[in-house]
Amino acid sequence: ETGVTQTPRHLVMGMTNKKSLKCEQHLGHNAMYWYKQSAKKPLELMFVYNFKEQTENNSVPSRFSPECPNSSHLFLHLHTLQPEDSALYLCASSQAASGGSYNEQFFGPGTRLTVL
Amino acid sequence: QKEVEQNSGPLSVPEGAIASLNCTYSDRGSQSFFWYRQYSGKSPELIMSIYSNGDKEDGRFTAQLNKASQYVSLLIRDSQPSDSATYLCAVLMDMGRRALTFGSGTRLQVQP
Repeated sequence: ETGVTQTPRHLVMGMTNKKSLKCEQHLGHNAMYWYKQSAKKPLELMFVYNFKEQTENNSVPSRFSPECPNSSHLFLHLHTLQPEDSALYLCASSQAASGGSYNEQFFGPGTRLTVL
Repeated sequence: QKEVEQNSGPLSVPEGAIASLNCTYSDRGSQSFFWYRQYSGKSPELIMSIYSNGDKEDGRFTAQLNKASQYVSLLIRDSQPSDSATYLCAVLMDMGRRALTFGSGTRLQVQP
């Protein structure tokens, strides 16, 4: 595997279900991100992890719960979601250091989530 | 509210022409700027990054940055139908946060 991978690519779930999204990066990066992309809206940052530590939670509802066990893996645990949570969920990674090209973020293919 | 503004388009150009995509940002202290290309149903793909005033060229792509005017642009020379996509401008507004702020994107259509 190369780059940033995400599974599953598509997910349909009911509002009472619990599911998890998985992201893995093979780039040797130390920062990982979750973004949400809804139709006709800009990419919205959800969470940032730097060296496994969460450094940002962008006022995300608690029904979204991130987990970062190591610098290569990132999970997003989902429970009791709402239909308006249907969107493309994107994972990205970058170098942890700040400045210049270290800030370049590389995205995975995304998980298309539909909440019924 | 720190923002990145882009014209949503669609911007329609004939094949072989130069496509010019523009982006303005609100935070004067921003240091890093990125252009992503996103095909319909796909994830964003990084195509250019620029950090200092002036032009940066990479193949058919040229990024231009003017920090005084808080303006960054992307030129695509010899546009091809395969360039038809949404182009997202992203700005690193706070080095400490390491989080990018994205514009809504400009949809480019290259007519054969």
